Amino acid sequence: DTGVSQDPRHKITKRGQNVTFRCDPISEHNRLYWYRQTLGQGPEFLTYFQNEAQLEKSRLLSDRFSAERPKGSFSTLEIQRTEQGDSAMYLCASSLVVGLAGSYNEQFFGPGTRLTVL
Amino acid sequence: AQKITQTQPGMFVQEKEAVTLDCTYDTSDPSYGLFWYKQPSSGEMIFLIYQGSYDQQNATEGRYSLNFQKARKSANLVISASQLGDSAMYFCAMREGNTGNQFYFGTGTSLTVIP
Repeated sequence: DTGVSQDPRHKITKRGQNVTFRCDPISEHNRLYWYRQTLGQGPEFLTYFQNEAQLEKSRLLSDRFSAERPKGSFSTLEIQRTEQGDSAMYLCASSLVVGLAGSYNEQFFGPGTRLTVL
Repeated sequence: AQKITQTQPGMFVQEKEAVTLDCTYDTSDPSYGLFWYKQPSSGEMIFLIYQGSYDQQNATEGRYSLNFQKARKSANLVISASQLGDSAMYFCAMREGNTGNQFYFGTGTSLTVIP
């Protein structure tokens, strides 16, 4: 399977603990995105990478959240001192964007990591 | 203002019938892309169809078609010949600009196909 993969699929943690999620994008894709989706809502943008550079962060991404993509391949999203409000599905997506050629920039999503903070 | 509005929280359709899921959008950028995704209960977002703002014709992909009305800023998804496997959440999304960095998603419509 050459799609986007995420690990773990489910994570239950206690409030105050740190958690880390991993995303492996489609191998030739240069862009990687993180989204958060709460129950009954659409995905909300958190941050994105162009290769290894983190180019944009949403104001939703508090200082307890940090994301990396050290070699421009897989990415990690860490949440420190988790709160109950962090409970959500965390989705990763990747896409291939070439120049400004008007590519429609379809994003391919992974299965998500469902976080429950007790 | 919401970038993407989906006003139908839930829809029901008889198997083999067609159904239209509504989506309106808000942008002042002349270049944008509109997308529909399906999210089954497993959680994965599955890309269905794309419409570019400069596309002259409505997009079609198999049983999916997008009714693009630019002046009204609407991009409704039409599913023909509904199947039981079509039961899922459907999200409309927009990307602003040619290579915009974020997608704006609506709140989704839950579609249930009745046998």
